Amino acid sequence: DTGVSQDPRHKITKRGQNVTFRCDPISEHNRLYWYRQTLGQGPEFLTYFQNEAQLEKSRLLSDRFSAERPKGSFSTLEIQRTEQGDSAMYLCATRRANTEAFFGQGTRLTVV
Amino acid sequence: QKEVEQNSGPLSVPEGAIASLNCTYSDRGSQSFFWYRQYSGKSPELIMFIYSNGDKEDGRFTAQLNKASQYVSLLIRDSQPSDSATYLCAVNMIEGGKLIFGQGTELSVKP
Repeated sequence: DTGVSQDPRHKITKRGQNVTFRCDPISEHNRLYWYRQTLGQGPEFLTYFQNEAQLEKSRLLSDRFSAERPKGSFSTLEIQRTEQGDSAMYLCATRRANTEAFFGQGTRLTVV
Repeated sequence: QKEVEQNSGPLSVPEGAIASLNCTYSDRGSQSFFWYRQYSGKSPELIMFIYSNGDKEDGRFTAQLNKASQYVSLLIRDSQPSDSATYLCAVNMIEGGKLIFGQGTELSVKP
């Protein structure tokens, strides 16, 4: 257990529904990253926060995706109007400044 | 050119051999580099990090960094079947602290 917690661990949803994932970081970690990973690929960068500020969002990320980190603590990632192509593992990683990052267990999303 | 590139493999080595995993990166200003191991269906776990040119050893693992060549590698000595996993290289981009991963190299250690 790295101390980074993600919820839920698994989510099955129907196409067109909205889903929200949560990530609770290690308490002193000011940077929080969201990644998406599909089978056989490395984690694909989605967005990241430094404290409560969202510093960068991937150009590949559609407008259906939004992330927040209120008060610089936990973060949520919402996907609106899910599509089958959104099926993937969604990973959260946190770190302090430029030190090593630690991952949560991930949330596996299946869109049917 | 991808920001971080790895050979996807699979790389197959016999038990007890040295496994060599390679990674190149595009951002010449990158300062910190990380190796993660990922078992199937699990999230990545940190193995090592390296910031300075040269070698860094931790048990059976050695990370090597050459900033001039924009190249980082991971050597696993005395490979064990339990080392069979996908190894991910991650690079901290100089601008803004974005952490970018390669596509991973699948390693298979045969008994």
